[in-house]
Amino acid sequence: EVQLLESGGGLVQPGGSLRLSCAASGFTFSDYAMNWARQAPGKGLEWVSVISGGGGSTYYADSVKGRFTISRDDSKNTLYLQMNSLRAGDTAIYYCAKAGCTSSTCYTNRWGQGTLVTVSS
Amino acid sequence: DIVMTQSPDSLTVSLGERATINCKSSQSVLNSSNNRNYLAWYQQRPGQPPKLLIYWASTREFGVPDRFSGSGSGTDFSLTISSLQAEDAAVYYCQQYYNTPHTFGQGTKVEI
Repeated sequence: EVQLLESGGGLVQPGGSLRLSCAASGFTFSDYAMNWARQAPGKGLEWVSVISGGGGSTYYADSVKGRFTISRDDSKNTLYLQMNSLRAGDTAIYYCAKAGCTSSTCYTNRWGQGTLVTVSS
Repeated sequence: DIVMTQSPDSLTVSLGERATINCKSSQSVLNSSNNRNYLAWYQQRPGQPPKLLIYWASTREFGVPDRFSGSGSGTDFSLTISSLQAEDAAVYYCQQYYNTPHTFGQGTKVEI
């Protein structure tokens, strides 16, 4: 059974940093692209970033480009999201999501339960 | 960026009735080289993460009831729930994965 367990969320001041982690199990992690998406309280879904299987390609939403970095450690079956220069508008539940393909151009077929990031002074 | 626009924003449907949600993309998400539409549908129940229902515009994910179906091509797509059940009350999102950013529609809330 595919499992995705996010961690690392919490309260951070504007301008601060956080690193989210997503521990994956139940599938061959290195074979699949992985995504981060987020959902602000009471709002819709926003795609944040994707990394291809093997990590050769990464892409970002304009709203986070230059501030967030996606990475993966296939030896640890773990996905990361380094978030710097955080703003109030980054407050959201952050979801880790597995793609259905190796390529970054793919749908997401499994989602974690999410971790809440709150940016506030 | 490709803008995804869903309609309606919300709808109320009786048990056993049909519900149809529309999704329009600002540019085509059809890849002519493989004839695939890069369009997915997700269901999100309150307090839960999204769940994949449909991908490639019309392929039902394993385990999804066959009352859910997807159709359309190019820029116009639909999700149909043929006979609404109580557990189908949720917000439904379309998403294009043809180009990054992989944009979502704003969501459609289905109430019973």
